[in-house]
Amino acid sequence: DSGVTQTPKHLITATGQRVTLRCSPRSGDLSVYWYQQSLDQGLQFLIQYYNGEERAKGNILERFSAQQFPDLHSELNLSSLELGDSALYFCASSVVQGPNTEAFFGQGTRLTVV
Amino acid sequence: GQQLNQSPQSMFIQEGEDVSMNCTSSSIFNTWLWYKQEPGEGPVLLIALYKAGELTSNGRLTAQFGITRKDSFLNISASIPSDVGIYFCAIIQGAQKLVFGQGTRLTINP
Repeated sequence: DSGVTQTPKHLITATGQRVTLRCSPRSGDLSVYWYQQSLDQGLQFLIQYYNGEERAKGNILERFSAQQFPDLHSELNLSSLELGDSALYFCASSVVQGPNTEAFFGQGTRLTVV
Repeated sequence: GQQLNQSPQSMFIQEGEDVSMNCTSSSIFNTWLWYKQEPGEGPVLLIALYKAGELTSNGRLTAQFGITRKDSFLNISASIPSDVGIYFCAIIQGAQKLVFGQGTRLTINP
């Protein structure tokens, strides 16, 4: 158990819908990262927050947004969903800003868009 | 964005065999990481390498940071069934994000 909690574990939704994925980082970790894992693109960095502020952005679509709350949990919002958004979405957390120390990954949320 | 070339893409071996996989890049990096992902789980860090030429072991796993700083290797000795999974190399880009290789899927025949 990495200590990073993601909910839900599985999500099935229709095209055009909006979903919210939730992540609770390890106790004491200030940085949260979101990654997308798909068969054709592998593990791709989406976005990072540090202590409530956005710090780095990857190839995140405009239809996707995220935030980190005062209690340090984070949510990834995916809207106007398309079939191609079906993927595993991972959250990771680390103590410091930037993954130069070990970043711990959650078990992921498997999103299926039908 | 940065591309890491990881090979092989998959391996089918017998229990007890040694395994080798590698990652190459066209750019120089200061850190190479190796992760393992098992079904239904997120990636777990196996070994972190911070210095060119560094050779680091974690049990039966040994990884090396290439002297050119453009590649890294992971070896698993005397494989056992629980070694099954997908192994990813990764580098740290801009101190903020991990860039992963495409992964090596390891299957072991008992």
